[in-house]
Amino acid sequence: EPEVTQTPSHQVTQMGQEVILRCVPISNHLYFYWYRQILGQKVEFLVSFYNNEISEKSEIFDDQFSVERPDGSNFTLKIRSTKLEDSAMYFCASKTSGGAETQYFGPGTRLLVL
Amino acid sequence: SQKIEQNSEALNIQEGKTATLTCNYTNYSPAYLQWYRQDPGRGPVFLLLIRENEKEKRKERLKVTFDTTLKQSLFHITASQPADSATYLCALVGGSQGNLIFGKGTKLSVKP
Repeated sequence: EPEVTQTPSHQVTQMGQEVILRCVPISNHLYFYWYRQILGQKVEFLVSFYNNEISEKSEIFDDQFSVERPDGSNFTLKIRSTKLEDSAMYFCASKTSGGAETQYFGPGTRLLVL
Repeated sequence: SQKIEQNSEALNIQEGKTATLTCNYTNYSPAYLQWYRQDPGRGPVFLLLIRENEKEKRKERLKVTFDTTLKQSLFHITASQPADSATYLCALVGGSQGNLIFGKGTKLSVKP
């Protein structure tokens, strides 16, 4: 069964460093999302991406964040200058179409900023 | 803005019993509501979706109800097993692009 994959599974970085989190969505999916989950808190929406551009973003997704689909398979989230409060699990999700209701989530990347 | 409350942070039940989890939302009634399962350190996994015109939806030992008058959904697991132990998340669509708003979840522990 097709699944969303994410790399790396864990990332430790120093405050102020740039990180890139990578996702490979399910191949025929067209809508892509990033969510994050701070330890012990709920899953929060960051950004949605469709047709090679951001379609919606939350207040969390400020200028330090960017997303890209550099080729036909990868979907990346970049944090330019990490802060301690960026430490969280980051989940990528995808779905087939705008009318589709179910999103499929990847296993997540655990980011720790020291 | 839409808010979701899952009133119980944790629920402990005995194997074989029925677990009932509650999800309440505060504003407009959504076209549909979803339930996900999340295991520790893992991403949410879709379980069931129920639409506003459906009162009840079943899948194997799972049952979901949706009451738009009460602005509430109930999620039931019958004949619960220790393998059902996980956090269960309620989710609604929060924007035009389909982004999801999640509740904080209810951590279910099924004891043998």
